[in-house]
Amino acid sequence: AQSVAQPEDQVNVAEGNPLTVKCTYSVSGNPYLFWYVQYPNRGLQFLLKYITGDNLVKGSYGFEAEFNKSQTSFHLKKPSALVSDSALYFCAVRGWGGSYIPTFGRGTSLIVHP
Amino acid sequence: EAGVAQSPRYKIIEKRQSVAFWCNPISGHATLYWYQQILGQGPKLLIQFQNNGVVDDSQLPKDRFSAERLKGVDSTLKIQPAKLEDSAVYLCASSLDGELFFGEGSRLTVL
Repeated sequence: AQSVAQPEDQVNVAEGNPLTVKCTYSVSGNPYLFWYVQYPNRGLQFLLKYITGDNLVKGSYGFEAEFNKSQTSFHLKKPSALVSDSALYFCAVRGWGGSYIPTFGRGTSLIVHP
Repeated sequence: EAGVAQSPRYKIIEKRQSVAFWCNPISGHATLYWYQQILGQGPKLLIQFQNNGVVDDSQLPKDRFSAERLKGVDSTLKIQPAKLEDSAVYLCASSLDGELFFGEGSRLTVL
């Protein structure tokens, strides 16, 4: 069975500093990985995905994520955080076969302080 | 391009009552998902449709939850009778090539 772990319930960072939100995964075969962001009372919005190719994936709003196969990780990063980045972030994984159902982590609350 | 539409956005009911949620996916998206998101948790899949057929409903509590997508386009999710633990946000998503597009969600409060 596939699974996602987001080890931090909350990440605090000062505006202008780099941020990292951690994600590790477990899946049979090669992974298809996603990051989504959720603002209060809103649905999930797609940020970026990794399918194959370059291990560094660039996405929306200046976010990027690094795929590390040996560590089964897909950490979300941004060089300079903004207060408006404060939101709930979800990592998701799915395999390449079967019903292609993405499994989500429990989410990490990112708080960017002015 | 219009996004995934869901209604109602909010619903408050008493336990043992019934409720229905509606979802209209992005045009042309064959795959439709219903997820349940309980406060403080990640979304949990309830059911996946491919066109009008069910692909996976293994986590759907079938004694009280039902879902249909009769014409392969919009979908309804019904809960009857509702329990207190059904209080959650019900998210509908559609996809074309694996990337999910979510609606705003329907927040259910069961009193």
